[in-house]
Amino acid sequence: GESVGLHLPTLSVQEGDNSIINCAYSNSASDYFIWYKQESGKGPQFIIDIRSNMDKRQGQRVTVLLNKTVKHLSLQIAATQPGDSAVYFCARPKDSNYQLIWGAGTKLIIKP
Amino acid sequence: DAGITQSPRYKITETGRQVTLMCHQTWSHSYMFWYRQDLGHGLRLIYYSAAADITDKGEVPDGYVVSRSKTENFPLTLESATRSQTSVYFCASSESWGAQHFGDGTRLSIL
Repeated sequence: GESVGLHLPTLSVQEGDNSIINCAYSNSASDYFIWYKQESGKGPQFIIDIRSNMDKRQGQRVTVLLNKTVKHLSLQIAATQPGDSAVYFCARPKDSNYQLIWGAGTKLIIKP
Repeated sequence: DAGITQSPRYKITETGRQVTLMCHQTWSHSYMFWYRQDLGHGLRLIYYSAAADITDKGEVPDGYVVSRSKTENFPLTLESATRSQTSVYFCASSESWGAQHFGDGTRLSIL
């Protein structure tokens, strides 16, 4: 069935280091993925998205990599800052009815 | 400022009461969504709407009612609140297929 899952529930990273958050998917029809950041007490915030005709997409300090062969995508955050502390979700649209299938989320903890 | 606004931010009510959560967006997005977020369950879709006067059930619609008389508003009503509906509720909107934009949520406690 369709699913989007993350490998780790919590990731601790030293401030200044790079963070890598992973996500796996099971439906080969997936062709669009979205990463969200949710800070405490706030709603999910769109970070970056990627379509299946791309292997890599870069934003400001973030890069998303898509490996369609192993059905895996990752979010890389460069030079992690305290403000990056949040839960990160990967998601993808479900067929044509505009619903999103959500991963369980990875909590990113920044160590000073 | 343009965006999506939810009200109230916090609400405490009693079982059996009716409560309505409001959602307003200024982007004129066609699609709007209601989610609940609970520990251990992540985000679960309650209802969504493709346009004014068009609504459809999501994953967990029981106990909830929605309406969409205007494009910019998408209220969610709990007709007879139960303790199991204690949760954080998020409203979202999107222009079309793709990324959704979220409000900051309503934290609802039912005693």
